[in-house]
Amino acid sequence: NAGVTQTPKFQVLKTGQSMTLQCAQDMNHEYMSWYRQDPGMGLRLIHYSVGAGITDQGEVPNGYNVSRSTTEDFPLRLLSAAPSQTSVYFCASSLGGSQETQYFGPGTRLLVL
Amino acid sequence: AQSVTQPDIHITVSEGASLELRCNYSYGATPYLFWYVQSPGQGLQLLLKYFSGDTLVQGIKGFEAEFKRSQSSFNLRKPSVHWSDAAEYFCAVGADSWGKLQFGAGTQVVVTP
Repeated sequence: NAGVTQTPKFQVLKTGQSMTLQCAQDMNHEYMSWYRQDPGMGLRLIHYSVGAGITDQGEVPNGYNVSRSTTEDFPLRLLSAAPSQTSVYFCASSLGGSQETQYFGPGTRLLVL
Repeated sequence: AQSVTQPDIHITVSEGASLELRCNYSYGATPYLFWYVQSPGQGLQLLLKYFSGDTLVQGIKGFEAEFKRSQSSFNLRKPSVHWSDAAEYFCAVGADSWGKLQFGAGTQVVVTP
């Protein structure tokens, strides 16, 4: 049982490049989400999904796209990277519901030059 | 709007001493409250959570937290810290029925010998 996995661990991009951050979970969780972590700001929600085929925006969605074609996978796409997207990105999953524990992946550290 | 405030950005504590981390929230209804810990270079791990009932909640690694509705607080405590408790600690509130989390900015804990 691997839990929540994220790839890559570290990535350097040039401004304007696109890339996809991968997230997968093997716990059959319905709810998945993407957060970004910046110093002094905690974690902020980018996008989330409450099941396959259903996604919605969080607090800071601009510049990011998501899709959810399977229960297991929830990739995050950066369409045209900007230096402001330099951050650490965390994927999380849970059974869904306010009382459920969210399980976090190890994170992807992204540097946009 | 919901908000979570962690007043202390950084705390230094001696090994064996007690630790208390403060968390204040603003939320219209009965909150779902969480404490997560992030060790260096790692993802977030749940320490404990509160939904209802006994206002003193026990968690993993010897941590406990007390919910005080009158003060809108959910402070985290540990009677005797270990060097391995050096980490960043995040307080969070459940933002909706699906379990979206609103995080505080975090408190960095340094443990000295």
